[in-house]
Amino acid sequence: GDSVTQKQGQVTLSEDDFLFINCTYSTTTYPTLLWYVQYLGQGPQLLLKVTTANNKGISRGFEATYDKGTTSFHLQKASVQESDSAVYFCALVNNNNAPRFGAGTKLSVKP
Amino acid sequence: EAAVTQSPRNKVTVTGGNVTLSCRQTNSHNYMYWYRQDTGHGLRLIHYSYGAGNLQIGDVPDGYKATRTTQEDFFLLLELASPSQTSLYFCASSLGGRYAEQFFGPGTRLTVL
Repeated sequence: GDSVTQKQGQVTLSEDDFLFINCTYSTTTYPTLLWYVQYLGQGPQLLLKVTTANNKGISRGFEATYDKGTTSFHLQKASVQESDSAVYFCALVNNNNAPRFGAGTKLSVKP
Repeated sequence: EAAVTQSPRNKVTVTGGNVTLSCRQTNSHNYMYWYRQDTGHGLRLIHYSYGAGNLQIGDVPDGYKATRTTQEDFFLLLELASPSQTSLYFCASSLGGRYAEQFFGPGTRLTVL
């Protein structure tokens, strides 16, 4: 079945550092890939999504590229701020409508 | 005017207790979902539904029942709660289909003593 892997459980950076969060997926189809962000005490909310049609998503300075060759969908940001501290989830959705989420990566940004 | 609301926000019960978690969405979405969130496991799908009266089994359904009474309302039932069900529960809704994002509620923190 479909699966999503995020191996980085926690990332700690300083402001203005470069962010890279690894996400790989496994599926037999061409799904939509999404990144969600969850701030403390809230439910997850969509950060960006990418389909096979557009390949790259950009939102609020974050970007992710759909790489079918390596089945990866890494999240990047050039310069993080303290306000970016949150948990980030990679997710996959297919036609069966049962989305798959990665384990999440907790980002802590020090001022 | 939150589009997905959950109640209660916090619940404490004892082992063997009966618990119902409620979710209401005003997005006019067809699909609704129940997840549990635990450290190291991310969001795990318990049950979901694509309309009133419909129920689909998710990845971790054991010990949970669910019922979708209307397009707006989706309930999660724990009839014999166990400590292993202590978790943060999220409800979500979506239009469905491969391009649709999910909209999440604020969560319910459940503790089973």
